[in-house]
Amino acid sequence: DSGVTQTPKHLITATGQRVTLRCSPRSGDLSVYWYQQSLDQGLQFLIQYYNGEERAKGNILERFSAQQFPDLHSELNLSSLELGDSALYFCASSVGDSGGGYEQYFGPGTRLTVT
Amino acid sequence: AQKITQTQPGMFVQEKEAVTLDCTYDTSDQSYGLFWYKQPSSGEMIFLIYQGSYDEQNATEGRYSLNFQKARKSANLVISASQLGDSAMYFCAMRGEFSGGYNKLIFGAGTRLAVHP
Repeated sequence: DSGVTQTPKHLITATGQRVTLRCSPRSGDLSVYWYQQSLDQGLQFLIQYYNGEERAKGNILERFSAQQFPDLHSELNLSSLELGDSALYFCASSVGDSGGGYEQYFGPGTRLTVT
Repeated sequence: AQKITQTQPGMFVQEKEAVTLDCTYDTSDQSYGLFWYKQPSSGEMIFLIYQGSYDEQNATEGRYSLNFQKARKSANLVISASQLGDSAMYFCAMRGEFSGGYNKLIFGAGTRLAVHP
């Protein structure tokens, strides 16, 4: 158990809908990262927050947004869902923002299926 | 741009033997970090081992060791005394470029390891 929690574990929804994925980082970790794992794209970095502020953006679609709240939990919002958004979405957390070490610990993931 | 290459889509090994999973990387950064993660069939990503670019010694964590050859830009994972529970997908990853967010991870395509009894 990495200490990172994600809810829900599974999500099935229809095209055009909007969903929210939730992540709670390990106790003491200030950075939260979101990754998408799909069969055709592999594991891709989406976005990073550090202590409530956005730090880095990767291949995140404009239909997707995220935020980190004062209690450090984070939410990833996916809207106008398409079939291609079906994937495993991981949240990871680390102590710091940059520098040595700061291994990222991953949550169990949320499997999103868009039908 | 930074890139991770894992050239072995699948590997198999006999139980109790050692196995090496290959990883090469490309970066122009002087400071970077290399990671290995394990993803069992249940889907979670498990951190295994980390190597910093300035670390002179190869990283080791129990049965896992990282064979770091900086000049060749390779960071191979060695698993000693394989166990049936080692059967999983293994990902090599690199810490991203500073300008793009130093701590984001760039992953390779992964290697699926099967341990046979």
